Amino acid sequence: QVQLVESGGGVVQPRKSLRLSCAASGFAFSRYSLHWVRQAPGKGLEWVALISYDGSNIYYADSVKGRFTISRDNSKGMLYLQMNSLRGEDTALYYCARDLYTSWYGPSDSWGQGTLVTVSS
Amino acid sequence: EIVLTQSPGRLSLSPGERATLSCRATESVSSNYLAWYQKKPGQAPRLLIYDASTRATGIPDRFSGSGSGTDFTLTINGLAPEDFAVYYCQLYGTSFTFGPGTKVDI
Repeated sequence: QVQLVESGGGVVQPRKSLRLSCAASGFAFSRYSLHWVRQAPGKGLEWVALISYDGSNIYYADSVKGRFTISRDNSKGMLYLQMNSLRGEDTALYYCARDLYTSWYGPSDSWGQGTLVTVSS
Repeated sequence: EIVLTQSPGRLSLSPGERATLSCRATESVSSNYLAWYQKKPGQAPRLLIYDASTRATGIPDRFSGSGSGTDFTLTINGLAPEDFAVYYCQLYGTSFTFGPGTKVDI
């Protein structure tokens, strides 16, 4: 079955960096686009970034553009999110999620359990 | 940029009742690329509906989606105890914005 396991979260100071990872298994990783979605404490879901199946197309939410970088390693079945210049408002539970489609950018039908990032001095 | 609003913000119902949740977009949604998710505390989001009205794999038929253009509805016919949760709509295709959510509680 599809499995997505996030790691790399923790407490980090403002303006510092953190790299999140997502290990995927149970499906043809290199065929699917992947998303990062976050949920701040007590808030709703916020889409963060998307990477196409081959990494050739990448999209970001305006709130993270220029600070976060999404990437993937299809040979390892890994998704990453490099987060730089972190701010307090980046504090959230970060989910990686698989796109429903292999040929388009759709909704997310499989999700990890999330990794918590806390930005605090 | 299309913005999604959801109403009501909170819906208080009893098991067995019907829940009607609304999601409205500021512009027409291309090809009805709209999804609905269920979110419970401590759990990952669960895809319920995509393409505005197609149930995702394994989703009970008491969940149904409808609508087009700018107005979309998620209906839950006969609320089960496990359906009390927060529900989000989301655009996809070229934009992936989530709505603010509707909390369905007892």
